[in-house]
Amino acid sequence: EDQVTQSPEALRLQEGESSSLNCSYTVSGLRGLFWYRQDPGKGPEFLFTLYSAGEEKEKERLKATLTKKESFLHITAPKPEDSATYLCAVRYTGFQKLVFGTGTRLLVSP
Amino acid sequence: DARVTQTPRDKVTEMGQEVTMRCQPILGHNTVFWYRQTMMQGLELLAYFRNRAPLDDSGMPKDRFSAEMPDATLATLKIQPSEPRDSAVYFCASGLLTGAAGELFFGEGSRLTVL
Repeated sequence: EDQVTQSPEALRLQEGESSSLNCSYTVSGLRGLFWYRQDPGKGPEFLFTLYSAGEEKEKERLKATLTKKESFLHITAPKPEDSATYLCAVRYTGFQKLVFGTGTRLLVSP
Repeated sequence: DARVTQTPRDKVTEMGQEVTMRCQPILGHNTVFWYRQTMMQGLELLAYFRNRAPLDDSGMPKDRFSAEMPDATLATLKIQPSEPRDSAVYFCASGLLTGAAGELFFGEGSRLTVL
């Protein structure tokens, strides 16, 4: 069964303490992997799309990477405003829908 | 600043009542999705439309849920009759998708509470 698994479920960091979030997938025919950020009471906000293994994307303190089995969202020197839930989603061959993982809740303390 | 607009933002209703949620997708987007989010299940796809035609509604309980897109500026999700287990946040998302490419843009969601 096609699955998207994110880890850890929750992560607490001190401001400036870099870390990585993981998204592993078991879909056949990956056509794209997407990262979203969701703040409480809001809809998911698009961050990155990765299409092939080895691809990397960066935005401010965030960097997303992709291998054949997983993606990482690296957060460098996070700030409290980076606190949010980070969602990973995949699109696979034959379908345009996005299948989401359950997310990682990130809390960055000052 | 183009965005997906959803109404209502919050809805509290009693079991058995009809609930209609509305979505105005971003102008020019060709694909519209309805997702439901709960703490237990995360984001689940209910249905989606491409160029207003329904492509997949396998995620919806067919006996009580229906989704339509009467025109390019309006998508609706209706629940009749509503049940307490339908309590969740319902998100509409739209995108200009060509093949596998194209990201989705989400609305702020409609929080539904069924008592």
